[in-house]
Amino acid sequence: DAGVIQSPRHEVTEMGQEVTLRCKPISGHDYLFWYRQTMMRGLELLIYFNNNVPIDDSGMPEDRFSAKMPNASFSTLKIQPSEPRDSAVYFCASSLVLGQVVGYGYTFGSGTRLTVV
Amino acid sequence: AQSVAQPEDQVNVAEGNPLTVKCTYSVSGNPYLFWYVQYPNRGLQFLLKYITGDNLVKGSYGFEAEFNKSQTSFHLKKPSALVSDSALYFCAVRDISNDKIIFGKGTRLHILP
Repeated sequence: DAGVIQSPRHEVTEMGQEVTLRCKPISGHDYLFWYRQTMMRGLELLIYFNNNVPIDDSGMPEDRFSAKMPNASFSTLKIQPSEPRDSAVYFCASSLVLGQVVGYGYTFGSGTRLTVV
Repeated sequence: AQSVAQPEDQVNVAEGNPLTVKCTYSVSGNPYLFWYVQYPNRGLQFLLKYITGDNLVKGSYGFEAEFNKSQTSFHLKKPSALVSDSALYFCAVRDISNDKIIFGKGTRLHILP
């Protein structure tokens, strides 16, 4: 397996534009997570899915953020409209289980570095 | 509420010396604790976990962590540091109320040649 695949690796966009980040989880993993990493706030969980269903989106900062998982092999995180404060590295991760009690933890993608100017 | 604290933003260690990256936790019930490493421009990678059993847990790349219940600590250690160990290290704890994993702010480890 190629691991968790995210695209694009880098995205630079102007304020007000729509941004879509993409993720392909590891085949067979039932859980998918979207995280945001910034210097100020560290690693924040935005939302996670179980079997393609959003379970907890309490970390999504505003209505400008939305996430979907139309099937087991694809998820998107959309920001519309984007703002400079959304600039961060966005990570997708997948896992067999939620609490990491079994297995080897979450598998993270390499992230998308988003810059909103 | 469950939480982890990494009191050091950065740790500098000379190559070949032992290293310690500190982590303390606050949980209700038995703690499930984890360490992850993040290399530049990469996602986090799982290093090791403590669920139960031996207080000394061995993980990837020669790292180990010592669980200390009385001090509520889970420090990451390695007997002899390599320059390639330079990275950002995250301690994490499982929140038993919702099974989510809570990450610390991270500690940047610099191994000096």
